[in-house]
Amino acid sequence: TQLLEQSPQFLSIQEGENLTVYCNSSSVFSSLQWYRQEPGEGPVLLVTVVTGGEVKKLKRLTFQFGDARKDSSLHITAAQPGDTGLYLCAGSNSGGYQKVTFGIGTKLQVIP
Amino acid sequence: EPEVTQTPSHQVTQMGQEVILRCVPISNHLYFYWYRQILGQKVEFLVSFYNNEISEKSEIFDDQFSVERPDGSNFTLKIRSTKLEDSAMYFCASSDGGLYNEQFFGPGTRLTVL
Repeated sequence: TQLLEQSPQFLSIQEGENLTVYCNSSSVFSSLQWYRQEPGEGPVLLVTVVTGGEVKKLKRLTFQFGDARKDSSLHITAAQPGDTGLYLCAGSNSGGYQKVTFGIGTKLQVIP
Repeated sequence: EPEVTQTPSHQVTQMGQEVILRCVPISNHLYFYWYRQILGQKVEFLVSFYNNEISEKSEIFDDQFSVERPDGSNFTLKIRSTKLEDSAMYFCASSDGGLYNEQFFGPGTRLTVL
């Protein structure tokens, strides 16, 4: 069974601060995704990382994939209240029939 | 931008009743999935579906569950005899089955079993 662990599980910061959340996998997936989920809503795909050492940027969000492809991080610069939400790390293997395996998520609160 | 839609947004039912949750996947996608999320827990895979057949299913997806693509646009999840522990958010997802198997999720149906 492939498992994803995320840390921290909860994070509360002031507007304007920087933060990093982490995801570690028990084994290598073909690709790793980051999703964001609002309360009562479905996960929204933010990014997919595939190659070891890969860095992707989405405005103030920076996603890194470790060289061994078993760990990933999400860094947010100058957090804003609109960044509040649950950030989910997920892994998937090749093949459309394959499931996405989710971590428990990091619940981020950005205080104005 | 194309999106997955789900109806109803909230379903309340009595234990033992049948429910059908409905989804319209993204139109050019070929792979469809159901996941569930019990309050405060991880999103869990239930089943994947391709070419009118179940491709994979988890141990959660027992004989009480079934899926169907009744026409060219809808994808449904039926729970035959609901239990209290079936109360959860149910998410439909779809994928074009590309190399990285990116799956796009609907907004979910909150199922409450009384």
